[in-house]
Amino acid sequence: GDSVTQMEGPVTLSEEAFLTINCTYTATGYPSLFWYVQYPGEGLQLLLKATKADDKGSNKGFEATYRKETTSFHLEKGSVQVSDSAVYFCALGANRDDKIIFGKGTRLHILP
Amino acid sequence: EAGVAQSPRYKIIEKRQSVAFWCNPISGHATLYWYQQILGQGPKLLIQFQNNGVVDDSQLPKDRFSAERLKGVDSTLKIQPAKLEDSAVYLCASSLVRTANTEAFFGQGTRLTVV
Repeated sequence: GDSVTQMEGPVTLSEEAFLTINCTYTATGYPSLFWYVQYPGEGLQLLLKATKADDKGSNKGFEATYRKETTSFHLEKGSVQVSDSAVYFCALGANRDDKIIFGKGTRLHILP
Repeated sequence: EAGVAQSPRYKIIEKRQSVAFWCNPISGHATLYWYQQILGQGPKLLIQFQNNGVVDDSQLPKDRFSAERLKGVDSTLKIQPAKLEDSAVYLCASSLVRTANTEAFFGQGTRLTVV
């Protein structure tokens, strides 16, 4: 069945470092891809999305490109801030049955 | 715009007791989801409604879990009887239309502890 695999955390970086969180997926057809973020004490919220191959989603300095050939949707940010500390979830939207399937999440700690 | 409302925020019960969670989605959102998020894992879909009809409940443990969506708006999720492994955060989400391309908006969740 459809699934999402993302790198395990926690990931600890210093402020202004470059961030990559890897995400790969397995799906039938052409799913939509999402990154959701969960800040401490808050609910899940959409960070960015891409709906077809080669699309790039971006928001708040974060970017991810839908790579069909490598079935990947890696999250990147050029210079992280302490306020980016959160749990990040990669997810796919299966067009076949409208399910949204999540990865296990990656906890990110940014040190000042 | 008001977000997805869930209550209660926290609940502690003994095993074999029953519990119910309530969700009020964003006004006008046709699709409503209930997810279970066990500590350290990603959210797992339990049930998906389109208006007041069930679209997918394949991962709902139907011997103990039940859910309904009254008049296609509010929804309740019930567990009876609860087991220790039901300890998790229960998330409700809604989206405007039934399509996986559309953003799902999440409530803050209900943290259930079964002792």
